Amino acid sequence: DTAVSQTPKYLVTQMGNDKSIKCEQNLGHDTMYWYKQDSKKFLKIMFSYNNKELIINETVPNRFSPKSPDKAHLNLHINSLELGDSAVYFCASRQGNTGELFFGEGSRLTVL
Amino acid sequence: SQQGEEDPQALSIQEGENATMNCSYKTSINNLQWYRQNSGRGLVHLILIRSNEREKHSGRLRVTLDTSKKSSSLLITASRAADTASYFCATDVDDYKLSFGAGTTVTVRA
Repeated sequence: DTAVSQTPKYLVTQMGNDKSIKCEQNLGHDTMYWYKQDSKKFLKIMFSYNNKELIINETVPNRFSPKSPDKAHLNLHINSLELGDSAVYFCASRQGNTGELFFGEGSRLTVL
Repeated sequence: SQQGEEDPQALSIQEGENATMNCSYKTSINNLQWYRQNSGRGLVHLILIRSNEREKHSGRLRVTLDTSKKSSSLLITASRAADTASYFCATDVDDYKLSFGAGTTVTVRA
């Protein structure tokens, strides 16, 4: 049973469109994250939620809006997609005792 | 700018050899973690070392931490083809923010 699952795995879309990525974790963790990995593999934190509350919001354009309906789910909606949004987006959850992150398999977004 | 930076960017070794990669960071940390990412997959946690620890072992992995130099190293001994992956260090600055670098890509040749 997958611990952190995100869908879809691949997204190909045109500039200007809106898209969403969903993430669910079954580990019972309180804290979840979205990270963006660019073509050079640099992994940048975007958002974090703890028990449905936003606790980290890095300098991300307003076109990106996270939503956490409950502590097991963290979704990412992106409006008006741009070429520069092309990347792999990773969802992760954090084990409270150790601080270890558990990652999903990633969602590769390609904006044409 | 990113907190952790790995060095070298890429490393190619023969099976059976050891692989060493380094991580430098900028600010004080609570702990430092190493992760592995296989091609096309998510990151997997390898080992965590706390700021008051100097060395830690896990199987064929050995991690050192030098807080005075703000640096850490990851040694993989007796490498195998399955160790081919990218390796990332991540620094835990506060309770929730884990910052990664761009990783070291390791290729183990058979």
